[in-house]
Amino acid sequence: EPEVTQTPSHQVTQMGQEVILRCVPISNHLYFYWYRQILGQKVEFLVSFYNNEISEKSEIFDDQFSVERPDGSNFTLKIRSTKLEDSAMYFCASSGNTAFQETQYFGPGTRLLVL
Amino acid sequence: ILNVEQSPQSLHVQEGDSTNFTCSFPSSNFYALHWYRWETAKSPEALFVMTLNGDEKKKGRISATLNTKEGYSYLYIKGSQPEDSATYLCAIYTGANSKLTFGKGITLSVRP
Repeated sequence: EPEVTQTPSHQVTQMGQEVILRCVPISNHLYFYWYRQILGQKVEFLVSFYNNEISEKSEIFDDQFSVERPDGSNFTLKIRSTKLEDSAMYFCASSGNTAFQETQYFGPGTRLLVL
Repeated sequence: ILNVEQSPQSLHVQEGDSTNFTCSFPSSNFYALHWYRWETAKSPEALFVMTLNGDEKKKGRISATLNTKEGYSYLYIKGSQPEDSATYLCAIYTGANSKLTFGKGITLSVRP
């Protein structure tokens, strides 16, 4: 069964460093998302992406964040200068379309720890 | 701000017990409710997508109902097994955009 994959599974970085989180969405999906969950809090939406453009972004997704689809398979989230409060589990998701009844398929997440 | 609430926060049951969880959400601008099951170190797994008032969905021993008028959904697990131990997440799609708004999740632990 097709699945969303993410690398790395864990990443530890120093405050101020840049990190790139990688995702391979399901191959025939066209819509891509990043969510994150800070420990003990709700999973929260960061950004959605379609046709090589950001469709929507949350207030969290400030200038320190960027997304890219560098080739036909990968979808990346870059944090330019990490802060302590960026420590969280980051989930990538993909879907075939944006219809409300369409399932978003999630990857297993990357746990980011900023020291 | 859209607030999705789940209760209880955690649940410990004995193998064979049946259990149920609640997801509450604002009934205005509702389009769909998604239930996910998330086991540690795995991807959240989609269980159900529910859209219509009165919807009932079933997958094996797990079933769910939806009341859009009063803004809640119940998830039932009949005869819990240790492999049902996971966090169960509900998320709402309001149609204003493509994002899911999640509740905090309910962590179920089933003792053998």
